[in-house]
Amino acid sequence: GAVVSQHPSWVICKSGTSVKIECRSLDFQATTMFWYRQFPKQSLMLMATSNEGSKATYEQGVEKDKFLINHASLTLSTLTVTSAHPEDSSFYICSARAESGTLRDTQYFGPGTRLTVL
Amino acid sequence: AQRVTQPEKLLSVFKGAPVELKCNYSYSGSPELFWYVQYSRQRLQLLLRHISRESIKGFTADLNKGETSFHLKKPFAQEEDSAMYYCALSPGGAQKLVFGQGTRLTINP
Repeated sequence: GAVVSQHPSWVICKSGTSVKIECRSLDFQATTMFWYRQFPKQSLMLMATSNEGSKATYEQGVEKDKFLINHASLTLSTLTVTSAHPEDSSFYICSARAESGTLRDTQYFGPGTRLTVL
Repeated sequence: AQRVTQPEKLLSVFKGAPVELKCNYSYSGSPELFWYVQYSRQRLQLLLRHISRESIKGFTADLNKGETSFHLKKPFAQEEDSAMYYCALSPGGAQKLVFGQGTRLTINP
């Protein structure tokens, strides 16, 4: 149990276009999901906290108009990178927070999405 | 501000030897501490959390508030322990995680 999926697993796009990444909790509901960014050989950096039915909370230095987050249901959050540029190329990872059961409050991670902007 | 420091980027030990991955944190309140592990070509997964006080795959970690540390230990390393290990902190009452830089552990046969 507690599986989180991401789609797509990798995407290549042209500079100036927008890309949407989906994060789904497959067998549990998650009021809260998180979006991280990971550069090569570096740690995960939290970008924003996605809250179902309300606005996302962005970390300092993350442009909310560039990284649009929508959490329309208890099992789906989306991250849209708008007007992507090569510097947005990175590995984007989501997690979903379990809210019940023995591992309540644990974050379960998706496999990540590799974004390459040409 | 919250910060997690893992001083060793790389750690290499022989199979059967004890292993300790260091983690220090900076936070003024009462944090929750976690260890996450990422095996090759797999996603990040929870290894253990301090409030559970349990041993997972032979690993243990004790929260030392005086030294603000949460070191991960295993008395006898196994080859399958080779992975990337991340220490993480969740500020009390908050839900987000702050990650350390990670330590790549390699167990030599």
